[in-house]
Amino acid sequence: DAGITQSPRYKITETGRQVTLMCHQTWSHSYMFWYRQDLGHGLRLIYYSAAADITDKGEVPDGYVVSRSKTENFPLTLESATRSQTSVYFCASSGGGNQPQHFGDGTRLSIL
Amino acid sequence: SQQGEEDPQALSIQEGENATMNCSYKTSINNLQWYRQNSGRGLVHLILIRSNEREKHSGRLRVTLDTSKKSSSLLITASRAADTASYFCATAPAGNKLTFGGGTRVLVKP
Repeated sequence: DAGITQSPRYKITETGRQVTLMCHQTWSHSYMFWYRQDLGHGLRLIYYSAAADITDKGEVPDGYVVSRSKTENFPLTLESATRSQTSVYFCASSGGGNQPQHFGDGTRLSIL
Repeated sequence: SQQGEEDPQALSIQEGENATMNCSYKTSINNLQWYRQNSGRGLVHLILIRSNEREKHSGRLRVTLDTSKKSSSLLITASRAADTASYFCATAPAGNKLTFGGGTRVLVKP
């Protein structure tokens, strides 16, 4: 079925570890986005990508790395996790223009 | 910083009543969108209203936009228990990036 999937759904790791969150969409949407959702802050954009091999920073990019070698995948890596990165992470995709964003069900990440 | 701010932060109503929530934003926009988020799930797009539109309907949803006041409202008529969720407005100043507000939590009691 077409859609957008995130993995893992839950992850617990320790400070200083590297962790990668995966995002895969089957619509061939050109745009993909990573958000984090925290109480009191709503959703904040971390990084986005307009096409394969094109990425750009959002509102809160520090501590995160993204890549987009294929249109359908947009992994997000925390190179050295910190407790402040404990959050729920959402990936989304869009066809661009005025088209809405379609969200995955999120990854709940806890950093101890 | 949040472009959109929803009001109220939380809303509790009885099934069958109407629910109204408001969104204010700061800069000029290309369009404004409303999303719903059920507990533990991702956001789902509800409706988009362009900057040159004043009102839009979709089923039991009615959205208004007042660009002079930089505000929008979402009305859910004849609410159901299944409407219990958080509702977010998102603005698109330009391009394809959205800026989300903090959301309104709606509880519909049976």
